[in-house]
Amino acid sequence: DAGVIQSPRHEVTEMGQEVTLRCKPISGHDYLFWYRQTMMRGLELLIYFNNNVPIDDSGMPEDRFSAKMPNASFSTLKIQPSEPRDSAVYFCASSRDFYGYTFGSGTRLTVV
Amino acid sequence: AQSVSQHNHHVILSEAASLELGCNYSYGGTVNLFWYVQYPGQHLQLLLKYFSGDPLVKGIKGFEAEFIKSKFSFNLRKPSVQWSDTAEYFCAVRGNNRLAFGKGNQVVVIP
Repeated sequence: DAGVIQSPRHEVTEMGQEVTLRCKPISGHDYLFWYRQTMMRGLELLIYFNNNVPIDDSGMPEDRFSAKMPNASFSTLKIQPSEPRDSAVYFCASSRDFYGYTFGSGTRLTVV
Repeated sequence: AQSVSQHNHHVILSEAASLELGCNYSYGGTVNLFWYVQYPGQHLQLLLKYFSGDPLVKGIKGFEAEFIKSKFSFNLRKPSVQWSDTAEYFCAVRGNNRLAFGKGNQVVVIP
């Protein structure tokens, strides 16, 4: 099993540009989570999906953030337009109900 | 919604010393409890988890944690740390299908 796969590993972009982060969950996992990690705020849940349907997006900071899960094997987190305060490490995790979460390696986003 | 508190954000200790990291949570329903470790520059990895049964849980790398329901706590322990245990440790609580994390404990082990 390849685990949760995120891409890219690192992203540097200019303020105002659109950024798309990608995640491939573990096959058979029906929950997918997007987290953001910063020094100031720690790990924050942004949104999670169950069976490709967004269940709770209350953690999404602003309308500039959007997430989709078009099928069971792929999800995206998009920021448009990006701002320097969006700089963080974004983690994707997947879970098969009560069997714990597996995290991806994260995408380190830097907005200059 | 549940919340998780971790104290003593920065911990510095020498090799062979004992480590205990506190974790308290607030949530009225059934919870699952986790400790994750994040080594420098890496992603989160599961150390151990508690779902039910024996409240003393043993994880990888010599770590263990004890669930005390009456205290809403799930403290992490290791009797003798090594330099390679230098990392950030996160307590997490899942309730109502939401996994909430504490702010983490940055642990530095001095050789």
